[in-house]
Amino acid sequence: AQSVTQPDIHITVSEGASLELRCNYSYGATPYLFWYVQSPGQGLQLLLKYFSGDTLVQGIKGFEAEFKRSQSSFNLRKPSVHWSDAAEYFCAVGSGTYKYIFGTGTRLKVLA
Amino acid sequence: NAGVTQTPKFQVLKTGQSMTLQCAQDMNHEYMSWYRQDPGMGLRLIHYSVGAGITDQGEVPNGYNVSRSTTEDFPLRLLSAAPSQTSVYFCASTEATNYGYTFGSGTRLTVV
Repeated sequence: AQSVTQPDIHITVSEGASLELRCNYSYGATPYLFWYVQSPGQGLQLLLKYFSGDTLVQGIKGFEAEFKRSQSSFNLRKPSVHWSDAAEYFCAVGSGTYKYIFGTGTRLKVLA
Repeated sequence: NAGVTQTPKFQVLKTGQSMTLQCAQDMNHEYMSWYRQDPGMGLRLIHYSVGAGITDQGEVPNGYNVSRSTTEDFPLRLLSAAPSQTSVYFCASTEATNYGYTFGSGTRLTVV
């Protein structure tokens, strides 16, 4: 069955520290992969996407993600976290349809 | 501003009442979807549309109807509200499957 797993429900990091949020997927076809961020009370904003080419993709707000087919992973990274990065992050996978499957989210807390 | 507009932002319904959640986009996107977001469950697809006059069911369609008479509008109808439909509802649109969805800011619905 198709699925997306975000194994970390909550992550806490100190401001200035590096960040990695994990995402694993199970998908039969070649996937399109996305990371979204949701601030409290807001909709979801697209951070970055991968559907072909270079497996390291750059996104907005200094985020990047790496697609590893052998590990079925698409982890999100940021070298230095800012207090404004505190939010909930969702990984999503899609293919040739519009039925994106979303993970359950990882809530990021940033300590000053 | 261009984007996806959802109304209302908040709504309280009594069990058995009906209502329509409005969604409009001004980006001329062909593809639109409705998701519901519940704590710990990520986003689940309710219905989607690949163009005016064409709709299909997602993962959790029961209790909801949709129609797409124009490219811009994609309303979601709750026929007889139940407490299980208490959730945050997001409308989203995209011009292609690999572009990622643009989300509205959501409607928080409480059914009592």
